Amino acid sequence: QSVLTQPPSASGTPGQRVTISCSGSSSNIGSNTVNWYQQFPGTAPKLLIYSNNQRPSGVPDRFSGSKSGTSASLAISGLQSEDEADYYCAAWDDSLNGVVFGGGTKLTVL
Amino acid sequence: EVQLVESGGGLVQPGGSLKLSCAASGFTFSGSAVHWVRQASGKGLEWVGRIRNKANNYATAYAASVKGRFTISRDDSKNTAYLQMNSLKTEDTAVYYCSRRDCSGNSCYSAYWGQGTLVTVSS
Repeated sequence: QSVLTQPPSASGTPGQRVTISCSGSSSNIGSNTVNWYQQFPGTAPKLLIYSNNQRPSGVPDRFSGSKSGTSASLAISGLQSEDEADYYCAAWDDSLNGVVFGGGTKLTVL
Repeated sequence: EVQLVESGGGLVQPGGSLKLSCAASGFTFSGSAVHWVRQASGKGLEWVGRIRNKANNYATAYAASVKGRFTISRDDSKNTAYLQMNSLKTEDTAVYYCSRRDCSGNSCYSAYWGQGTLVTVSS
């Protein structure tokens, strides 16, 4: 059972906009910033969004992040087949004194 | 180019020990914190622990699932971080990743990751 809650799966057709939610608590998302990671099978995670809504260099602006209270969301617009991957949210937890991850969301492009 | 390369994974019996290494290059390793994250086959990411830099007294922190069994250390002269794993259990079987922790203001994140090393705990 992950500390941060994500839907296990999400899907969309090419060109669509999809969102992935991440729910936490006051000790993690409520008091710290949220990061999002993208992971393809057999590869290391890749930083997609940091500090709630910042994109590292090289990440397309189709990807955006937001945070409100104890929840966060990742939005992907103009969905492409190469976006099919697993997505994880993460945040520091002040009570646990460590990083907590969501369980991951498998995105399928139909 | 920033690179992190894990090594030391392999097959170990329950109750055994293993020491993983994370060799860094392409940046000032001594100034960075290092985190370890693991992933069991078909499962999600699980934070294992971290070690901060000298300026932060090499402070360590661990997940409850490994506290007391795992120890993170570093040798800045060798640009390498280590994960000493003792009293291994079958549930520790996973790919172990190290990552460089960067901070921007109050926001910290893992922008660079190694390729991972597989640890299998089995009799």
